[in-house]
Amino acid sequence: DTEVTQTPKHLVMGMTNKKSLKCEQHMGHRAMYWYKQKAKKPPELMFVYSYEKLSINESVPSRFSPECPNSSLLNLHLHALQPEDSALYLCASSQGGVPGTQYFGPGTRLTVL
Amino acid sequence: DAKTTQPNSMESNEEEPVHLPCNHSTISGTDYIHWYRQLPSQGPEYVIHGLTSNVNNRMASLAIAEDRKSSTLILHRATLRDAAVYYCIPSSGNTPLVFGKGTRLSVIA
Repeated sequence: DTEVTQTPKHLVMGMTNKKSLKCEQHMGHRAMYWYKQKAKKPPELMFVYSYEKLSINESVPSRFSPECPNSSLLNLHLHALQPEDSALYLCASSQGGVPGTQYFGPGTRLTVL
Repeated sequence: DAKTTQPNSMESNEEEPVHLPCNHSTISGTDYIHWYRQLPSQGPEYVIHGLTSNVNNRMASLAIAEDRKSSTLILHRATLRDAAVYYCIPSSGNTPLVFGKGTRLSVIA
């Protein structure tokens, strides 16, 4: 099973709302990732968790707050977002180490009004 | 991170082989060459990876130049379901994947 699941599939929120994106994997992977993808652009790395600890934050604004409650689950908490934050948010996981194959979820399509 | 150069777009006829090139002249000695693809409205999907030798799997073949400065992903018989953006990504595995612009492959019936 190489499945990474993400919920919800679609999310529409206002700039004053608080919402969360959820990602889950049951492959025993120790590294989990959040990427952001704008239309017709490649995915851009946001955060990396390794062994449930935040190891990389690519200078992401604080209105995005990641959380890794356990080794299978990754959340992205959203607060006071801007319309330009509308994008596809992708979660991925990997075993860690070489060769570093990552498995991606289908993404959450976020629209900020 | 190694810089990659891929054609912006390519077109293929259905049932024909497709060769997708990638230049990665600044690749380090420990970097694997990964290929991912992203179908419309989906997350990226792992295709294949290699280090020095050519590799085959059920999806594709990967041909790696002897100097490792370039590689070619080969789809042996393109189908309509292979229409996607294909990304070539050098990575040591100890750092996250960094996506370039990729090649948008169109398959014509």
